[in-house]
Amino acid sequence: SSELTQDPAVSVDLGQTVRITCQGDILRTYSASWYQQKPGQAPVLVIYAKNNRPSGIPDRFSGSSSGNTASLTITGAQAEDEADYYCNSRDSSGYHPRVFGGGTKLTVL
Amino acid sequence: EVQLLQSGGGLVPRGGSLRLSCAASGFTFSTYAMSWVRQAPGKGLEWVSDIITSGDTTQYADSVKGRFTISRDNSENTLYLQMNSLRADDTAVYYCAKRGYYYDGSPYHYYFDSWGQGTLVTVSS
Repeated sequence: SSELTQDPAVSVDLGQTVRITCQGDILRTYSASWYQQKPGQAPVLVIYAKNNRPSGIPDRFSGSSSGNTASLTITGAQAEDEADYYCNSRDSSGYHPRVFGGGTKLTVL
Repeated sequence: EVQLLQSGGGLVPRGGSLRLSCAASGFTFSTYAMSWVRQAPGKGLEWVSDIITSGDTTQYADSVKGRFTISRDNSENTLYLQMNSLRADDTAVYYCAKRGYYYDGSPYHYYFDSWGQGTLVTVSS
């Protein structure tokens, strides 16, 4: 299977912009999706198909991709954005979204 | 509104069995692939298994292959995960997830657009 690498922890000052990255060779071909998970809760999809937000996700969340790196950007981070963030993409077969990054713990200072 | 309501978790001895259920509503269940994803205590998300719309094709992570069986009942809008020969390292919160897809030109974009609330499976040693 393919591998997706994330920084374990990132911090951002309240109201500032933060970028969370996800690296993997599979991302040169396929897009990543991004999930937010708060303690004790199920993951929530925040970005899919490169830069699409599901209904109800604030527009301060955006996605981008370049080469083997996908990024989730939060512009004007809020206290409620403090959470774990996971990227996901296809496995090495290229068929199924079975691979998750290790997750990034975002702290809003 | 899409809802995935899970049931069936609990405490089970090592080597025991458990069946998880995920009752779907708010969408046409039979037209979406479904998956199980788990999260061990303090760890990240791990894909476990998935099943296509008809139920004819299933796939498993190596860690559960031969012990877990995913299935679905499209007439009852329910997804299942039968877990046998449970081990201590199967202890985790298990989530069912609906696989969404989006097409804006080749290739398709796949993602998990809805998740169940999670159910804790604890395997005692």
